[in-house]
Amino acid sequence: QVRLQESGPGLVKPSETLSLTCTVSDGSISSYYWSWIRQPPGQGLEWIGYFYYTGGTNYNPSLKSRVSISVDTSKNQFSLKLSSVTAADTAVYYCARESEYGSGTYIDYWGQGTLVTVSS
Amino acid sequence: DIQMTQSPSSLSASVGDRVTITCRASQGISNYLAWFQQKPGKAPKSLIYAASSLQSGVPSKFSGSGSGTDFTLTISSLQPEDFATYYCQQYYIYPRTFGQGTKVEIK
Repeated sequence: QVRLQESGPGLVKPSETLSLTCTVSDGSISSYYWSWIRQPPGQGLEWIGYFYYTGGTNYNPSLKSRVSISVDTSKNQFSLKLSSVTAADTAVYYCARESEYGSGTYIDYWGQGTLVTVSS
Repeated sequence: DIQMTQSPSSLSASVGDRVTITCRASQGISNYLAWFQQKPGKAPKSLIYAASSLQSGVPSKFSGSGSGTDFTLTISSLQPEDFATYYCQQYYIYPRTFGQGTKVEIK
């Protein structure tokens, strides 16, 4: 059973960079697609983007200019960086694994989520 | 972006009821549709992918159907642990998009 665990600061100042790490246990990161999804308090889910272990990425155009996802296969971790944050970036951030199906990929495992608040 | 619209936004049901939630895509997505369950303060849980395939470990009381633009999630006999918010998501094209959620409450 794959387990994912997010870690990182729970408070980030406006205009700074949000940085989170997801550690993958009981499964190799050298396969699959590794994603980030966020959920503002009391709201719905927003897909941020993914990193494929071979180096491919795909980001939500609404965040593309500010987001970066990378993978460290030696540590079985992947990371999210979101720059120039504002209060609108306050949300619970989830990491997730996506598996291939046909020509698409679907989420099968989620981390427990971590709340990041943007405030001075 | 593909817009996903769920209906209803909320519903009240009793234990033992059969419940159906609808998800409509703004354009055809074949069967690239997933369903998730989220309980308060918890991460979403993956229920269904490819519109009708159950994730490993998900009980058979959950079922999904549909193709193209119209999809349904059905819970055959609602149990106390099923009261939650349910989301659909398309993974046909990027960016992936979710429905706004359907909250299933106890009547």
